[in-house]
Amino acid sequence: GQNIDQPTEMTATEGAIVQINCTYQTSGFNGLFWYQQHAGEAPTFLSYNVLDGLEEKGRFSSFLSRSKGYSYLLLKELQMKDSASYLCAGLDSNYQLIWGAGTKLIIKP
Amino acid sequence: DAMVIQNPRYQVTQFGKPVTLSCSQTLNHNVMYWYQQKSSQAPKLLFHYYDKDFNNEADTPDNFQSRRPNTSFCFLDIRSPGLGDAAMYLCATSRDREVNEQYFGPGTRLTVT
Repeated sequence: GQNIDQPTEMTATEGAIVQINCTYQTSGFNGLFWYQQHAGEAPTFLSYNVLDGLEEKGRFSSFLSRSKGYSYLLLKELQMKDSASYLCAGLDSNYQLIWGAGTKLIIKP
Repeated sequence: DAMVIQNPRYQVTQFGKPVTLSCSQTLNHNVMYWYQQKSSQAPKLLFHYYDKDFNNEADTPDNFQSRRPNTSFCFLDIRSPGLGDAAMYLCATSRDREVNEQYFGPGTRLTVT
């Protein structure tokens, strides 16, 4: 079966760094997405990885290891506005997105 | 400026009363998706259209139907809403199936009374 696993909830402090992990099992693999979703709002695209390694985009970076079926999202210099759910989604061989349930990130002052 | 628009943002309907949710896009994307999302859960894909080619997920209830009359518009019809259909309904688009960065509308929150 296809599955995305990520922690349900994480807490971090404003100004700190947090890493949100995701493991995936998909039928075939065409990439791994991270989306941010604020409460009551739609998901917004953060990153896409299809090759192994780290992709950096400002305060946010995303890492992929295809051999381990593993990705993480790294958020630096946390701000209160980063409080949101972070959804990991894998693209399978049929180009269907398999979504995780999201990690709720709580930022404390 | 809005790229994927959903109307209404909030919809209240009575148990069993048909309801239609609408989505429009200004991106000229080939693929449009409808998702259902309940609190603290992953978005659940209901259908997607690749151009006019309709794709129904195997576990999407018959109670849910969809129409895409042209590239820009897509509708979700719920024929007889039950209490379990109360959720956020998200419309998304992508340029192609292979170029799968999805752009989401703001969602319609459906309440069933």
